[in-house]
Amino acid sequence: KQEVTQIPAALSVPEGENLVLNCSFTDSAIYNLQWFRQDPGKGLTSLLLIQSSQREQTSGRLNASLDKSSGRSTLYIAASQPGDSATYLCAVTHGANSKLTFGKGITLSVRP
Amino acid sequence: NAGVTQTPKFQVLKTGQSMTLQCAQDMNHEYMSWYRQDPGMGLRLIHYSVGAGITDQGEVPNGYNVSRSTTEDFPLRLLSAAPSQTSVYFCASRRISGVYEQYFGPGTRLTVT
Repeated sequence: KQEVTQIPAALSVPEGENLVLNCSFTDSAIYNLQWFRQDPGKGLTSLLLIQSSQREQTSGRLNASLDKSSGRSTLYIAASQPGDSATYLCAVTHGANSKLTFGKGITLSVRP
Repeated sequence: NAGVTQTPKFQVLKTGQSMTLQCAQDMNHEYMSWYRQDPGMGLRLIHYSVGAGITDQGEVPNGYNVSRSTTEDFPLRLLSAAPSQTSVYFCASRRISGVYEQYFGPGTRLTVT
């Protein structure tokens, strides 16, 4: 059974810091991995999707990497801003008809 | 595109009442799913569908029914509400071919008293 872990559960950093959020998964036979952002009281917004054949994806100040063999992904946020404060979740899937398995998320607070 | 829409946004039910949470998507996605999100438990899959007329159970299906008569709509029915069903419910959709990025609706916050 796939398990996705995100540690730590919460993180507080000063504005401007570059930071890395970690995601690990137990079954490396994934099809893709997706990073989401969730603001309090809101739904999940997709940030980046990495196919199993890819090593990384970039969008603006965000860069996500994937190492399937070690069961790890990282989300790099450059020059963090208070507006980046949110919960970040990663999720993996094994194929077209398979469900997404989510981590419990990392709640990020960026202090002005 | 409106994306994934959910109604209502908020709902309060008494124990034993039934109701239907609505979900619709306008992206012609084959795969639709319902999750519940509870503090400390993360997102848990309730039911999912890979196309019209096809549904299956997720991790926590008890107390919920679904049907998929069209590609666009995937309603979730609570048969007899219980306080344990107090949660935030999210509907999601995606394609099942190519690059299938999952999209979520804004959620329904349900309280059962």
